[in-house]
Amino acid sequence: QVQLVQSGAEVRRPGSSVKVSCKASGATFGTYTITWVRQTPGLGLEWMGRIIPMFQSTTYAQNFKDRVTITADESTNTIYMEMSSLTSEDTAIYFCARDRWELPDWFDPWGQGTLVTVSS
Amino acid sequence: QSALTQPASVSGSPGQSITISCTGTSSDVGAFDYVSWYQQHPGKVPKLLIFEVTNRPSGVSSRFSGSKSGTTASLTISGLQAEDEAHYYCSSYTSTTTVVVFGGGTKLTVL
Repeated sequence: QVQLVQSGAEVRRPGSSVKVSCKASGATFGTYTITWVRQTPGLGLEWMGRIIPMFQSTTYAQNFKDRVTITADESTNTIYMEMSSLTSEDTAIYFCARDRWELPDWFDPWGQGTLVTVSS
Repeated sequence: QSALTQPASVSGSPGQSITISCTGTSSDVGAFDYVSWYQQHPGKVPKLLIFEVTNRPSGVSSRFSGSKSGTTASLTISGLQAEDEAHYYCSSYTSTTTVVVFGGGTKLTVL
C-alpha cells in the first residue's frame, strides 16, 4: 500500500512560484498514479491535475493548465507540483493522492497536505 | 461555487440514519458511475468512504453506503455514531475540461 509524505509549509510572495513534493513509499515507481487537489475555505476542494509517472504523462484541469506543472522523479520516488504566478487566492492546503490508473476516479490514500500561504 | 451541489449541513441522533445528496449534471454524475465520497474530520486528511457509486474500500464500515439516481448521488450513514461527526464531500469524474468535480461539502452533526 503506497504511503505519501509531502513537503512542509511554504510562504510565498504574490507573483512568485512554489514547488511542493510528495514522496511515495511502499510502492515501486511506475505502479501508481498521483493526483493533486487543493482545499480552500472559499472554493472547497479543487482537482488540479494528475501524472502517470511511468510515462511522465500529465492531465490538468482547465483552470490550472497554464500555471501548474506536475513531474515525477524515479530516482527518489517523488512527485512534484509546481505552481507559478501565485496570488493570494492560491493560499490553500495542497494534497497529493493516489488515484486509479485509468482515470482520476477515486483518491486514496492522501498525503498529509502542504499549506501554501501567498502574502505580501 | 462548487460544481456538485450538497446540502451545507445535516444532523441526526445516535443510532439514526441520514442521507447526504450530491447533485450534478449530465456531464458528470449523470454520465459516469465514477462518484466517490470522502469523510474529513477537522484538521485531518480526507478519507475515501465510497468509490464508483456503491463500493466500499477495505476497512470502511458497512454503515456507509452509496447510491445514484440520474444526476443525483447519495451517501447514507446508518446507525449514526458520535465519531461520524465530520464534513463529507462527493466527487465525480466529468467529461468537461475540469476533469474532476467536487461538492461543496456537508457538515454532519451528531446530536
